[in-house]
Amino acid sequence: EDKVVQSPLSLVVHEGDTVTLNCSYEVTNFRSLLWYKQEKKAPTFLFMLTSSGIEKKSGRLSSILDKKELFSILNITATQTGDSAVYLCAVGAGAGSYQLTFGKGTKLSVIP
Amino acid sequence: GAGVSQSPSNKVTEKGKDVELRCDPISGHTALYWYRQSLGQGLEFLIYFQGNSAPDKSGLPSDRFSAERTGGSVSTLTIQRTQQEDSAVYLCASSSAFGRVFHPEAFFGQGTRLTVV
Repeated sequence: EDKVVQSPLSLVVHEGDTVTLNCSYEVTNFRSLLWYKQEKKAPTFLFMLTSSGIEKKSGRLSSILDKKELFSILNITATQTGDSAVYLCAVGAGAGSYQLTFGKGTKLSVIP
Repeated sequence: GAGVSQSPSNKVTEKGKDVELRCDPISGHTALYWYRQSLGQGLEFLIYFQGNSAPDKSGLPSDRFSAERTGGSVSTLTIQRTQQEDSAVYLCASSSAFGRVFHPEAFFGQGTRLTVV
């Protein structure tokens, strides 16, 4: 059974701090790993990673994938209160490559 | 529309009643997914539609759950004889699938929060 584990489950930081969110996975026939930010209900897409060692960057957010060690990290620098959300990691794998297996998420709270 | 639209946004129903949840995907997106998110849990895959192909229903938790997609656009998820454990946020997502090698981005709707009392 495919498995995606995120850590920590929750995190409280002060504005300006840098945070690292972790996602490890055990899947058959890995295809890609996706990060989403979930505020209230709808997850919004952040990154899709398919190759090891290539950093994806968008503003203060960046992510990298290690396919050998089966994990990804999401970094957020100079955090702001607007970064408070649940960050979801999802992995697509297998012959039916459209299915995504999601982790339980990391709840990030940024306090002023 | 500009995004994925789901209705209703909230639904409270009595145990044993049937409910229908609706999803309007982004125009032109051929792939449509339904996911369920229970409190404190990750998203759980329910069903996938791709164009005119037969849907993948492998994630539906029981035969009380069914879904259809009419005309390759709007989808309806139906839950019959609702149970309290069906209470969750039901999320719909659509994407423009560009192949089976990589996962396309999926754009999510705001979800329907279902509460069975």
